[in-house]
Amino acid sequence: NAGVTQTPKFQVLKTGQSMTLQCAQDMNHEYMSWYRQDPGMGLRLIHYSVGAGITDQGEVPNGYNVSRSTTEDFPLRLLSAAPSQTSVYFCASGTTYEQYFGPGTRLTVT
Amino acid sequence: AQSVTQLDSQVPVFEEAPVELRCNYSSSVSVYLFWYVQYPNQGLQLLLKYLSGSTLVKGINGFEAEFNKSQTSFHLRKPSVHISDTAEYFCAVSEGSGGSNYKLTFGKGTLLTVNP
Repeated sequence: NAGVTQTPKFQVLKTGQSMTLQCAQDMNHEYMSWYRQDPGMGLRLIHYSVGAGITDQGEVPNGYNVSRSTTEDFPLRLLSAAPSQTSVYFCASGTTYEQYFGPGTRLTVT
Repeated sequence: AQSVTQLDSQVPVFEEAPVELRCNYSSSVSVYLFWYVQYPNQGLQLLLKYLSGSTLVKGINGFEAEFNKSQTSFHLRKPSVHISDTAEYFCAVSEGSGGSNYKLTFGKGTLLTVNP
């Protein structure tokens, strides 16, 4: 099992550009989520999904879109990148009792 | 809504010394509690979790934590640390029942630095 995979590992964007962060899991988990990590802020929930076709907003959803067409994949879209979205992004999948995190994507918006 | 407070942003200790990383939470409902570790430039790894039952929880790498409901705390302890324990540690909480028990609320993290 690969667990939770994320691509790319690093990305630099210019303000206003769009991109998609990819997340995939091979553990057949219904629950997947996206967090951003900023220095001194811990991790904050952006969006989550409890199954294919079902998504909902977390604590900091503005500027991000998600969709869940399959159990395995949960991409995060930045529609128009802003410097405030410079962060490390983590995808997670799991159950009520345990969640597994991917290695992260480090995004810089200039 | 829940919140998590990690009382120390940085904890420096010497190798083989004991360590305690403090975590307090607030919630109006029952909770599940977790400690995660993040090594430099890596993702998060689950150290241990409290779901129910015994309030003393043992995890990986010799860590343990004690759930104290009256003090709303879930402090992490290790009796003797190693250089390899240098990492950032995050306390997290989720609702223990109902529909929101997937969503984790994290503390801001405690950077543990183990010095030789």
